[in-house]
Amino acid sequence: EADIYQTPRYLVIGTGKKITLECSQTMGHDKMYWYQQDPGMELHLIHYSYGVNSTEKGDLSSESTVSRIRTEHFPLTLESARPSHTSQYLCASSASDGGGPYNEQFFGPGTRLTVL
Amino acid sequence: GNSVTQMEGPVTLSEEAFLTINCTYTATGYPSLFWYVQYPGEGLQLLLKATKADDKGSNKGFEATYRKETTSFHLEKGSVQVSDSAVYFCALSDSSGGYNKLIFGAGTRLAVHP
Repeated sequence: EADIYQTPRYLVIGTGKKITLECSQTMGHDKMYWYQQDPGMELHLIHYSYGVNSTEKGDLSSESTVSRIRTEHFPLTLESARPSHTSQYLCASSASDGGGPYNEQFFGPGTRLTVL
Repeated sequence: GNSVTQMEGPVTLSEEAFLTINCTYTATGYPSLFWYVQYPGEGLQLLLKATKADDKGSNKGFEATYRKETTSFHLEKGSVQVSDSAVYFCALSDSSGGYNKLIFGAGTRLAVHP
């Protein structure tokens, strides 16, 4: 069973508030990812990290930011939430492949964010 | 660029029916292929994978074969159960752009009725 956690599971917040979505994993994985999932289910990579102090933007432009100060922790922050940020946010992690086959991504349960 | 196309849902079946969810891909090189499943209110879980042509991935009665000639990775199960109701995502690994990532299809919702 994957050990990757996200909090909160649900968040309803007003426009203009600053929020941080937490993601932690206990598997010692170097790689971590944030996905945004549409109501129509499609998943889009918005951020990823290959290790401590490494963060990159993904395929879908996002106003959120991330940090990776510790291997196990990869929080996502929105400085000023807007209704357009309403979505499900999924965190994932994977081991480094060391040049071998692609490694499985393990997903957290997600945070469903609603901005009013 | 690389992409994944899977059949639109929802797919509605009676218990014990045969399931096929079609998935085709476009990719340069030789990606690995995956099926992930998302149960209501949860994150995604890896269901099965195949890393090279003609490989068959299998798990929990589900199977998919990596077909390079037809660029397909269709998901099948001989007899579905109500507990299989979920959203199924086909995905491929993409190492272009300098980093490994997954490219997902749009997802197919499966509803199984008793």
